[in-house]
Amino acid sequence: KAGVTQTPRYLIKTRGQQVTLSCSPISGHRSVSWYQQTPGQGLQFLFEYFSETQRNKGNFPGRFSGRQFSNSRSEMNVSTLELGDSALYLCASSFLGQSGDEQFFGPGTRLTVL
Amino acid sequence: AQSVSQHNHHVILSEAASLELGCNYSYGGTVNLFWYVQYPGQHLQLLLKYFSGDPLVKGIKGFEAEFIKSKFSFNLRKPSVQWSDTAEYFCAVNEWGTNAGKSTFGDGTTLTVKP
Repeated sequence: KAGVTQTPRYLIKTRGQQVTLSCSPISGHRSVSWYQQTPGQGLQFLFEYFSETQRNKGNFPGRFSGRQFSNSRSEMNVSTLELGDSALYLCASSFLGQSGDEQFFGPGTRLTVL
Repeated sequence: AQSVSQHNHHVILSEAASLELGCNYSYGGTVNLFWYVQYPGQHLQLLLKYFSGDPLVKGIKGFEAEFIKSKFSFNLRKPSVQWSDTAEYFCAVNEWGTNAGKSTFGDGTTLTVKP
């Protein structure tokens, strides 16, 4: 069974640009969550999607958005990039996204904003 | 809002030493608790989880954790560490009945095991 995949693995952007990251969950998993990981803040929850609907959202500005497609693949978008958006963005999938479910993480996309 | 605190940012041990990593959370309701591990160059993966029942949970690679509700703690233990246990360890919690994705993670503890 293939794991969670994320593309691209590395991105370099400049301030003001926008970026789209992609995540393909494990086959059969319907819940996809996104996290931002930085050395100073650790892993912070961005949002979770289930059946193409955003079910939960963390405390991030509206520049951060996402969506989920009918095949459960998910994208997140960050508009008007700031230097502080430089981070590792992790995607995690789980079968139904219930509170006791294990999350399976992808390798992450390393975003650098110059 | 719930929070998770991991007491040690960096722990250095020699092989065969015993390990205990602390984790405390702030939420007063029913919770699910997890320990994840990230080995160098690898993805985050689940070590163990507490859902309900026996508060002593056993995970992969000889790790175990004990949930002490009165102390809001979920400490990770291993009686004898190996060099291959060198990794970053994250404690995570979510409220029972909410969604798996809405998990709160601690800042992580980097464990270095010297051969």
